[in-house]
Amino acid sequence: EAQVTQNPRYLITVTGKKLTVTCSQNMNHEYMSWYRQDPGLGLRQIYYSMNVEVTDKGDVPEGYKVSRKEKRNFPLILESPSPNQTSLYFCASSKRNGQGNPEAFFGQGTRLTVV
Amino acid sequence: AQTVTQSQPEMSVQEAETVTLSCTYDTSENNYYLFWYKQPPSRQMILVIRQEAYKQQNATENRFSVNFQKAAKSFSLKISDSQLGDTAMYFCAFMKHGGATNKLIFGTGTLLAVQP
Repeated sequence: EAQVTQNPRYLITVTGKKLTVTCSQNMNHEYMSWYRQDPGLGLRQIYYSMNVEVTDKGDVPEGYKVSRKEKRNFPLILESPSPNQTSLYFCASSKRNGQGNPEAFFGQGTRLTVV
Repeated sequence: AQTVTQSQPEMSVQEAETVTLSCTYDTSENNYYLFWYKQPPSRQMILVIRQEAYKQQNATENRFSVNFQKAAKSFSLKISDSQLGDTAMYFCAFMKHGGATNKLIFGTGTLLAVQP
C-alpha cells in the first residue's frame, strides 16, 4: 500500500529538549516536504527536498532542520523546541513536478506540544 | 507570490442537501494545479479533487465537483447529497505547474458540519 508514515503521532516535550519526527514514504517519490498546521493559518511549508542531499527552506523554517540521506526518509529535527512550535505537523511526498500527477500524499500528522 | 483565500471559516448543511465551498486565489502564473483536500477529525489529509488550469472542463469525482473560473481566479467545491461522513475541514490549495518545487499553498480552511 502506498503510504507516508510519520512517527510519533503525538508528542509532548519540554522547552529546549531536542526531538526528531520521522517520515518515510514507499512510493519512490523524489519530492518530500514538511508542513505545519495552525488554526486560522492553514498549512505552511517548513522545508522541502527535491532529492537525496538536496533540501531547501520553505516559508517558516526558523527553528527547524531537516536531512535527506535516503530517498525514502525525511526527518524533521527541532534542536531546541519552543512553545511557539506547538502545532500539527505533516510530512508529504509527491512525484517531481512535470513528471505526471503531482498529487501530494500526506502522513497521518504529528501533534506536538512544547511546554 | 501566490495566495489562496477561503472566506467561509465555517459552514453547515443538512444531510442530503447540496453545499458549495468558496475559494479564490491570486497568481500571475498561467499554468497551475488547484486542489481540494478534506481533513476529517482523524486529521488525515485526503485529496478530494484536482483541477489543472489548462483544462476548461470542471473536474468531477462522484458527489464532488468544482466550478473553476480561471479569469475570475475562483475555484469552488460543490458537494451534492451531503453525508454525515463529509463533516470535515476542507482546504483549497494551489501548486505551480512545472515549478522548481511542489510547494502547496493552502487557504485557511472551511469547517463543514453536516447535520442529520
